[in-house]
Amino acid sequence: DQQVKQNSPSLSVQEGRISILNCDYTNSMFDYFLWYKKYPAEGPTFLISISSIKDKNEDGRFTVFLNKSAKHLSLHIVPSQPGDSAVYFCAASYGNDMRFGAGTRLTVKP
Amino acid sequence: GAGVSQSPSNKVTEKGKDVELRCDPISGHTALYWYRQSLGQGLEFLIYFQGNSAPDKSGLPSDRFSAERTGGSVSTLTIQRTQQEDSAVYLCASSSHTGSYNSPLHFGNGTRLTVT
Repeated sequence: DQQVKQNSPSLSVQEGRISILNCDYTNSMFDYFLWYKKYPAEGPTFLISISSIKDKNEDGRFTVFLNKSAKHLSLHIVPSQPGDSAVYFCAASYGNDMRFGAGTRLTVKP
Repeated sequence: GAGVSQSPSNKVTEKGKDVELRCDPISGHTALYWYRQSLGQGLEFLIYFQGNSAPDKSGLPSDRFSAERTGGSVSTLTIQRTQQEDSAVYLCASSSHTGSYNSPLHFGNGTRLTVT
């Protein structure tokens, strides 16, 4: 039962360009959404989040957009840097329940 | 310590053996989660502890899996009679949230379990 889906397993972009990572969810009860970043051999680390009462949250180069009617969120990274290369997980939560997508591997080429 | 600590970092075991994985959460964090990531898969929820409440075990894949959290701090995940499909990275995370308050999870580096 995949309640959170990241349909693109990988994404490759050029340094300096925009990276757009997408995520879809099915459970309309989710009210808080997060993005995590994971490097090899490390646990995921929190990147940015958004509450369901908002449609945009920005933190430096990272912006998360939420479209509740479409049950879709996206993470924009601009400008992309080689150090951004990692696996990005989308997560959605309601109360104590937090579900993760399968991840998207982002590669930023110099 | 400053972060979530998991041990061992790697574990190779023979099929049929029992294994114990340990998680030391961030001090003061009341919520503790176990997830696993199989090769090419996302993070699969296993079990959740919150304070003194009964744990949410809804993600445990079979009765060979169990977990406990002693004194509201350290947690151990036990897998009995391991099978090859149990091979995965087991991740522990803790959080300071209570009730419906949302705060990010802080993950450990995981235990890579290989069942031969």
